Amino acid sequence: NAGVTQTPKFRVLKTGQSMTLLCAQDMNHEYMYWYRQDPGMGLRLIHYSVGEGTTAKGEVPDGYNVSRLKKQNFLLGLESAAPSQTSVYFCASSRAMNTEAFFGQGTRLTVV
Amino acid sequence: GIQVEQSPPDLILQEGANSTLRCNFSDSVNNLQWFHQNPWGQLINLFYIPSGTKQNGRLSATTVATERYSLLYISSSQTTDSGVYFCGNGGSQGNLIFGKGTKLSVKP
Repeated sequence: NAGVTQTPKFRVLKTGQSMTLLCAQDMNHEYMYWYRQDPGMGLRLIHYSVGEGTTAKGEVPDGYNVSRLKKQNFLLGLESAAPSQTSVYFCASSRAMNTEAFFGQGTRLTVV
Repeated sequence: GIQVEQSPPDLILQEGANSTLRCNFSDSVNNLQWFHQNPWGQLINLFYIPSGTKQNGRLSATTVATERYSLLYISSSQTTDSGVYFCGNGGSQGNLIFGKGTKLSVKP
C-alpha cells in the first residue's frame, strides 16, 4: 500500500518556466490537498479538492492551478514559475472532511 | 481565522530525557493531528487525537478540547526523535491548520 505518492521529489526551474506536480493516492480518499512549506513556518494550504472533478482555493492560491480529473490524482500546476514559489510542496489526502490526513513525501522545488 | 500556537519553538535534550510539547488553539478543536517531520523532510503521522489520550510506545498525546490544547509527551528520548514536531487542527475547508512547529534536537 503506497499511500500518497508525489512526483517528482526534486526540481529546479528557471523563472518563467512551467511544470506540473503529480499527487497520487491509493486509499480511495475523497479529499485531496496541496500545501507549501516555507522555512520556519508550518504548512499552508494552496488548493484542495473534495472529490473528483472539484477544486477550490486555499489560503495561498495565487500563481497555481489544479485539476482533479481522476479521484486518485491531484495535479498542481505552475504556469510561470517565480522565485517566490521556491518551497517544499506537500500533497495530502483524507477520507472525508475532518478525518485523518496522510501526506506524501514532499517535492522540493527551486526557482532560479 | 483559526490560530495554532506551538511551544516551545526549540528544544534541546540529552538522550534519555523526557519532554512535553504543547499546542494551543484559538478555536474549537477538531481533527487534531500530531506529526513528526524527520531530517529528510518526511511528515510522519504520530497521532490522530481530537480528544482524549493515546499512547504509542514512548510517545503519548492528550487533547483537552474544552480547554483548547493538546500535549505530546516523548519519554526516554532517542537521537532518532530529532526533527520538527507539528500539530494541526481542522479548518473550515477540511484542511489542517498548522502551528510553526517545535524543533527537537536530541544529543547522544
